[in-house]
Amino acid sequence: DIQMTQTPSSMPASLGERVTISCRASQGISNYLNWYQQKPDGTIKPLIYYTSNLQSGVPSRFSGSGSGTDYSLTISSLEPEDFAMYYCQQYDSSPLTFGSGTKLEIK
Amino acid sequence: EVQLVESGGGLVQPGSSLKLSCVASGFTFSNYGMNWIRQAPKKGLEWIALIYYDSSNKYYADSVKGRFTISRDNSKNTLYLEMNSLRSEDTAMYYCASHIGGYWGQGVMVTVSS
Repeated sequence: DIQMTQTPSSMPASLGERVTISCRASQGISNYLNWYQQKPDGTIKPLIYYTSNLQSGVPSRFSGSGSGTDYSLTISSLEPEDFAMYYCQQYDSSPLTFGSGTKLEIK
Repeated sequence: EVQLVESGGGLVQPGSSLKLSCVASGFTFSNYGMNWIRQAPKKGLEWIALIYYDSSNKYYADSVKGRFTISRDNSKNTLYLEMNSLRSEDTAMYYCASHIGGYWGQGVMVTVSS
């Protein structure tokens, strides 16, 4: 199974700040990497697919990058609605696996 | 508008069975592979099953293999998860989600407790 190591587990940040969340796979995943946002009410919003492609309706302040085993999600300037949980997920091979999540908190 | 609506959850006793449904609308369901993903209380996301668009292939997490069965009826735009021999550790919110396309449901709660 491919293990996804997501860092940091929590991140205090301020409005307007630029933040980056990282995800490292235990083996190469050929860019088959999604990012999701989860709000406290449980609603899950897909943000990015295939490493760097924004889902429809996702603001351009979100971006994704990476290759091989190392991937990242960047939010260029934090808005109030961005404080939430974030998860990466690989879909290169079964079982599909998620990172353990990053809680983005207001500093 | 794309919608995925899960149903069929509830409180059940250990060892019992339950069948979840996920009705899709607003996109061509029959073109998409579909997943079930769950989240135990205060835990992270766990993928549990995938079915191809035409049901030709199915994959399961080890934690549910042999107990859960994923299926679909493209004529009804519906995805299913049949869950047998339920355990307390199956207690979670269950989400259906498209394999690509970024479509997720709101989730349905399953609680396994005596």
